[in-house]
Amino acid sequence: EAQVTQNPRYLITVTGKKLTVTCSQNMNHEYMSWYRQDPGLGLRQIYYSMNVEVTDKGDVPEGYKVSRKEKRNFPLILESPSPNQTSLYFCASSFAGRTEAFFGQGTRLTVV
Amino acid sequence: SQKIEQNSEALNIQEGKTATLTCNYTNYSPAYLQWYRQDPGRGPVFLLLIRENEKEKRKERLKVTFDTTLKQSLFHITASQPADSATYLCALVTPNDYKLSFGAGTTVTVRA
Repeated sequence: EAQVTQNPRYLITVTGKKLTVTCSQNMNHEYMSWYRQDPGLGLRQIYYSMNVEVTDKGDVPEGYKVSRKEKRNFPLILESPSPNQTSLYFCASSFAGRTEAFFGQGTRLTVV
Repeated sequence: SQKIEQNSEALNIQEGKTATLTCNYTNYSPAYLQWYRQDPGRGPVFLLLIRENEKEKRKERLKVTFDTTLKQSLFHITASQPADSATYLCALVTPNDYKLSFGAGTTVTVRA
């Protein structure tokens, strides 16, 4: 089954404690991206990757890091989380935007 | 600055009627426009894609139009059903970076 898998689904953490949200896709997509979704603001892109070892900033990259060492995986790293990073996060993948994007189930992050 | 605006945050309609949602954009030259459905707490699910040189696309009870002169897309759900209740997101794909940029969404509620 074609899917994008994120882990964990829910995470509560404290300010400053490094965390990683994993994302994996099984469709051999070149393009992967991370979004955060906040009420009234919609989905905003954090980072994207057009292929292995190629990443670039989206609209709201501050406070986040990513890596793309393998085609299927695109982890999101918060080196020092802060309360304003409390949000619902989605990973997505596609064939370079020319077709539909597949989204993961979401990760609800709370930073206290 | 670039903007994607969806006409209203919420739309309430009677079962059997047609829901019409609007997506307007400024300072974009999109290659594609996509529509997604999102249920509470879930990731967006792709519905339709329309290219800049296409005027209209249909899929079952869904119809999308794309007017690059007006910089507007209309999304229609005909013969609406309570199961169509969800948030619908408009998204633009820009040609160089294949970035997918989203509007804030319109929440549709279909009353039985």
